[in-house]
Amino acid sequence: DVLLVESGGGLMQPGGSLRLSCTASGFTLSMYDMNWVRQAPGKGLEWISYISTTSRTVDYADSVKGRFTISRDDAKNSLFLQMDSLRDEDTAVYFCARDTPVVGATSFWGLGTLVTVSS
Amino acid sequence: DIQMTQSPSSLSASVGNRVNITCQASEDISKYLSWYQQKPGKAPNLLIYDASNLETGVPSRFSGSGSGTDFTFTISSLQPEDIATYYCQQYDNLPRTFGQGTKVELK
Repeated sequence: DVLLVESGGGLMQPGGSLRLSCTASGFTLSMYDMNWVRQAPGKGLEWISYISTTSRTVDYADSVKGRFTISRDDAKNSLFLQMDSLRDEDTAVYFCARDTPVVGATSFWGLGTLVTVSS
Repeated sequence: DIQMTQSPSSLSASVGNRVNITCQASEDISKYLSWYQQKPGKAPNLLIYDASNLETGVPSRFSGSGSGTDFTFTISSLQPEDIATYYCQQYDNLPRTFGQGTKVELK
């Protein structure tokens, strides 16, 4: 089965750091561009980061630029999101998601991991 | 950055009714628009890509149209299992952006 499983979420104080992981199974991660998308409680979807195959292109939403870093380890079939200088407004469920090659649409999502930032 | 304006923010319709949701981009995104369905507590599910292409396995009552800046998503005959929130997303340019979402409820 094709799966994306996020981990690393939890409770963190403002100003702290967390590293999210997304492990792929049932397919070869290196063939796909990947994304992180988040959803604050009761709110809509917010795209936050993208990384192309070979990591040649990365991009971030303004809301996280300079604080979050996306990376991938294709040998481990894993995607990461390093989250620094966390703020209350970073509280959300974080999803990793896979693009369809050539088409570019984001077509397959993990189940998400909850990050809560609170003192 | 490209802004996506989705409307309405919510709607109420009866089973069997036709439902339309619109999404307007702040600049030309060609055909690079997708539509997602999200049910509470679940990950989004891709329904439409490239503005009008139906994802494999998605019922044919779902459809999309448009290009450039104006797009429409349609459910031709609303079913109880379609109760969800729907989002558009542009993937023409980075950063990618979502519409605000449309919550579809049963009347």
